Amino acid sequence: DTGVSQDPRHKITKRGQNVTFRCDPISEHNRLYWYRQTLGQGPEFLTYFQNEAQLEKSRLLSDRFSAERPKGSFSTLEIQRTEQGDSAMYLCASSPSNQPQHFGDGTRLSIL
Amino acid sequence: QKEVEQNSGPLSVPEGAIASLNCTYSDRGSQSFFWYRQYSGKSPELIMFIYSNGDKEDGRFTAQLNKASQYVSLLIRDSQPSDSATYLCAVPSGTSYGKLTFGQGTILTVHP
Repeated sequence: DTGVSQDPRHKITKRGQNVTFRCDPISEHNRLYWYRQTLGQGPEFLTYFQNEAQLEKSRLLSDRFSAERPKGSFSTLEIQRTEQGDSAMYLCASSPSNQPQHFGDGTRLSIL
Repeated sequence: QKEVEQNSGPLSVPEGAIASLNCTYSDRGSQSFFWYRQYSGKSPELIMFIYSNGDKEDGRFTAQLNKASQYVSLLIRDSQPSDSATYLCAVPSGTSYGKLTFGQGTILTVHP
């Protein structure tokens, strides 16, 4: 069990650029979740997958955000045309079905 | 009313004391409840979960659940400076362990 792995750990980009983050879940975990956390707040749900199927997406998630899990293993989260308000920690978690989630170390995004 | 609310902090206790962290939730149908610990700059780490009314003990940690009052708490006995962190209460949606809704977190400081 190597834990949930996220890459990169930090990303600094200019407003308007596109960014993509990767998450590798714990092996054999069929569920994968994305959350966003800003300073002083708890994580906020973005979306989750069971295997390759995206089962739920937050209504708060704008069309600039898209996530994929093409083969039911790793996942990518892309943000297009980044804005200042996108600055946050992006957390990935994984779990077997009906089991608690375990989090990766996150990707910290800073928008200049 | 927020879906998951935690008592306002920060909370400061002396080493060796009992720290009490509280959480209320709005969805009366919620079945399970999770406590995560988050050190500064790190990802959330699962420390306790509880499904049934009453108490659940694990080492120095005790989770207490009262579904009638929609209230869950976490007690930390013999608090140590290493317990200083943000504690997040989380409630999954439905019964299938989908997305987690987090409270805003309570910052705990244990001073020597």
